[in-house]
Amino acid sequence: AQSVTQLDSQVPVFEEAPVELRCNYSSSVSVYLFWYVQYPNQGLQLLLKYLSGSTLVKGINGFEAEFNKSQTSFHLRKPSVHISDTAEYFCAVTPSGGYQKVTFGIGTKLQVIP
Amino acid sequence: KAGVTQTPRYLIKTRGQQVTLSCSPISGHRSVSWYQQTPGQGLQFLFEYFSETQRNKGNFPGRFSGRQFSNSRSEMNVSTLELGDSALYLCASSPETGARGEQYFGPGTRLTVT
Repeated sequence: AQSVTQLDSQVPVFEEAPVELRCNYSSSVSVYLFWYVQYPNQGLQLLLKYLSGSTLVKGINGFEAEFNKSQTSFHLRKPSVHISDTAEYFCAVTPSGGYQKVTFGIGTKLQVIP
Repeated sequence: KAGVTQTPRYLIKTRGQQVTLSCSPISGHRSVSWYQQTPGQGLQFLFEYFSETQRNKGNFPGRFSGRQFSNSRSEMNVSTLELGDSALYLCASSPETGARGEQYFGPGTRLTVT
């Protein structure tokens, strides 16, 4: 079974400052990793995904994440945040083989302060 | 393409009643997953349907059930509602090509049980 831990439930950051949202996972098999964003009163939207290959993946809205197998981490970063980035962010994992369920973290609320 | 649609968007029910929620996936997507989202719990996986068959199931009681029709539309049903069933219910569809876990979410149905 897989599990995901998002280490921070809330992250306040000033506008134009950098931000890192942390995600660690646990799995005995190889996995695919994802970050999703949820804006108020909306469903989730895929930000980026790691399948294989380069450990640094770039997504939409200027976000990027780095897969670290030894640390079993997949932290999300953005060099300069905007007010519009205020949202909840979810890390997710699923085994790379077969058709097993996707496991989500409990989410991190990013609050961008003007 | 139209996105994932869910109906109704809001629902208020009384404890003990039953409810049916509907989800229409993106055209061509044959996999539909359902999640329960509550504050502090994140997204909890309910079940996944593919080609009218339940492919994966989460750890929810038998009061939660679902089905998928030949046009890939899906419904979930909750019988004998409890106060703790109040939540945002999200539906997500996936294409069969690409990575598992790359899901497209609807806006959700907000269920309130009184």
